[in-house]
Amino acid sequence: KNEVEQSPQNLTAQEGEFITINCSYSVGISALHWLQQHPGGGIVSLFMLSSGKKKHGRLIATINIQEKHSSLHITASHPRDSAVYICAASRNQFYFGTGTSLTVIP
Amino acid sequence: DAGVIQSPRHEVTEMGQEVTLRCKPISGHNSLFWYRQTMMRGLELLIYFNNNVPIDDSGMPEDRFSAKMPNASFSTLKIQPSEPRDSAVYFCASSFAPGQGDEKLFFGSGTQLSVL
Repeated sequence: KNEVEQSPQNLTAQEGEFITINCSYSVGISALHWLQQHPGGGIVSLFMLSSGKKKHGRLIATINIQEKHSSLHITASHPRDSAVYICAASRNQFYFGTGTSLTVIP
Repeated sequence: DAGVIQSPRHEVTEMGQEVTLRCKPISGHNSLFWYRQTMMRGLELLIYFNNNVPIDDSGMPEDRFSAKMPNASFSTLKIQPSEPRDSAVYFCASSFAPGQGDEKLFFGSGTQLSVL
C-alpha cells in the first residue's frame, strides 16, 4: 500500500476549466508538498504546506490534517498548465504519490 | 545559489559498463535524496542522506547500486555493472531535514540514463 495516494491518475480539461487534484496520505507528516513536472522537464516544487491553504497565482493548495487529505486547485486552466502534478508527504523522508497527468486542451 | 546541480544530463552506455552520476546539493541543505523515475513506477526513492550519512538505502535495487556522500557538497550514485533495466531518469534532490521546519524539496534537472 502506498503511503500517498493521488487521484485522478489522468485528467483532461478544456481551457478555462477549474481543476482539482486530490491527495490522501496515511502517515503522520511534517509537511505536504505539491510538485510539478512538465514533459521532458525537471521537477519544481509548487507548494509546501502543513496547515490551511496557500495560493500562488491561479494555483491553490489546501490541506486537512485531521482527514489526511490535500487538494491542488487550478483556476482558469491554461494549456501551459499541462504537466504531471505530484503530491509528496514528508516525515523523516519524502513519500511520493504516483502523479496526476493533466492535459489542458485549447 | 544555482540550485541542485546534476551531471551528466544524459548518459548512454552499454550493458556491463560502470555509470557514475553526480550531484551537488544546494549549499546549506543537510538532506540529499537520490530518486529514480520510470514510466512504470514513477518516482522511487533510492537512498537518503542526512548530514552526509546514509539514513535509508532500502530503495537501492541491488548491490550493483552504490551511493556516497563524501562531503556536504557532493554525492555520487554508481551503477556497476549497468543493465538495460536501469534505464531511467535519475534525480537528485536536497532540502533541510524533514521535520526541521523549512523542508522545501529542490530537484536537480535529472540524468537521463540509457543502457543499451
